Amino acid sequence: AQSVTQLGSHVSVSEGALVLLRCNYSSSVPPYLFWYVQYPNQGLQLLLKYTTGATLVKGINGFEAEFKKSETSFHLTKPSAHMSDAAEYFCAVTDSGAGSYQLTFGKGTKLSVIP
Amino acid sequence: KAGVTQTPRYLIKTRGQQVTLSCSPISGHRSVSWYQQTPGQGLQFLFEYFSETQRNKGNFPGRFSGRQFSNSRSEMNVSTLELGDSALYLCASTGSGETQYFGPGTRLLVL
Repeated sequence: AQSVTQLGSHVSVSEGALVLLRCNYSSSVPPYLFWYVQYPNQGLQLLLKYTTGATLVKGINGFEAEFKKSETSFHLTKPSAHMSDAAEYFCAVTDSGAGSYQLTFGKGTKLSVIP
Repeated sequence: KAGVTQTPRYLIKTRGQQVTLSCSPISGHRSVSWYQQTPGQGLQFLFEYFSETQRNKGNFPGRFSGRQFSNSRSEMNVSTLELGDSALYLCASTGSGETQYFGPGTRLLVL
């Protein structure tokens, strides 16, 4: 069974500071990994994904994440936080080649940006 | 391309009633998945349909059911509603790749 752990249900950063949201996963097969963002009263928007190849992936809005197999991690970073980054972020995993697209999500991290 | 659309966006029902939610995937996408989001349990997978067949199912009671039509549109139904069914129900569609694209959700309140 797969699982995702997001460390910190709430993270606060100052505007312009580094954003680091942590995600660790458990999977018995090579995973596909995703980060989604959710703004209030909206659905989930894909930020970035890792499937195969380059372990450092870049996404929208200046976010990037690095897949580290040895650490079973896929942490999300952004060099400089903007007020518009305030939202809830979800890390998710699915089995590669499973033939089904069931996502297992972490509990989410709510990011606050302090002006 | 238009995104995933879900109707209705908001719904209020009373215990014991049933409800049907609708999802229209991105044009050309044949896979539709449904998720339930609650503050306590987070995001949980309900089921996935591909080409009108249920391909995968999460750990939910039989009161939760779904179907997919030949045009890939999907509906989910919840019978005998309980207070705990109050949630945001999200639909996602997938094309030829592995990425799921989510709709805005239907917020269901059970009184």
